[in-house]
Amino acid sequence: NAGVTQTPKFRVLKTGQSMTLLCAQDMNHEYMYWYRQDPGMGLRLIHYSVGEGTTAKGEVPDGYNVSRLKKQNFLLGLESAAPSQTSVYFCASSRDSAPYNEQFFGPGTRLTVL
Amino acid sequence: AQSVSQHNHHVILSEAASLELGCNYSYGGTVNLFWYVQYPGQHLQLLLKYFSGDPLVKGIKGFEAEFIKSKFSFNLRKPSVQWSDTAEYFCAVTRGSTLGRLYFGRGTQLTVWP
Repeated sequence: NAGVTQTPKFRVLKTGQSMTLLCAQDMNHEYMYWYRQDPGMGLRLIHYSVGEGTTAKGEVPDGYNVSRLKKQNFLLGLESAAPSQTSVYFCASSRDSAPYNEQFFGPGTRLTVL
Repeated sequence: AQSVSQHNHHVILSEAASLELGCNYSYGGTVNLFWYVQYPGQHLQLLLKYFSGDPLVKGIKGFEAEFIKSKFSFNLRKPSVQWSDTAEYFCAVTRGSTLGRLYFGRGTQLTVWP
């Protein structure tokens, strides 16, 4: 049981390049989330998904797109990377919509945009 | 406006000192409260959570937190810290009306000197 895994762990992009971050969970969780973590800002929600085939915007969705084609995977895409997107990205999942449920986090992806 | 406030950005303690990290939130209505910890180079892990019942909750590694509804607070405590408690601590809240979405504070970096 690997929990939540993220690929890649590190990436360096040039401004304007695109990339996709992959998140996978093996806990059969319905909900999945993408956060970014910036120094002094805590974690901010980018997008989330309440089930296969559904996605919704979070706090800071601009410049990102997501897809949830399979229940276990949640992809985060950057179509045209900008230096402001330099951050650490965390994926998380939770069992269902109950607000007291714990979210399980992946190890993070450190992205640098030059 | 920051809706989950952690007033201490960096706390430095010696081993065996007592710890209290403040967390206040500004939401009305039903809330569920969490403390997550991020050890250096690792992903976020749940320390403890409160959603109902006894307002004093105990978590892993000797941590506890007290929910004081009248003060909109959920402070984290530990009577005697260890060097291994060096980490960043995040307070987070879910609201009854926003199913499963976590709102994070900015985090408190705790450094414990041996």
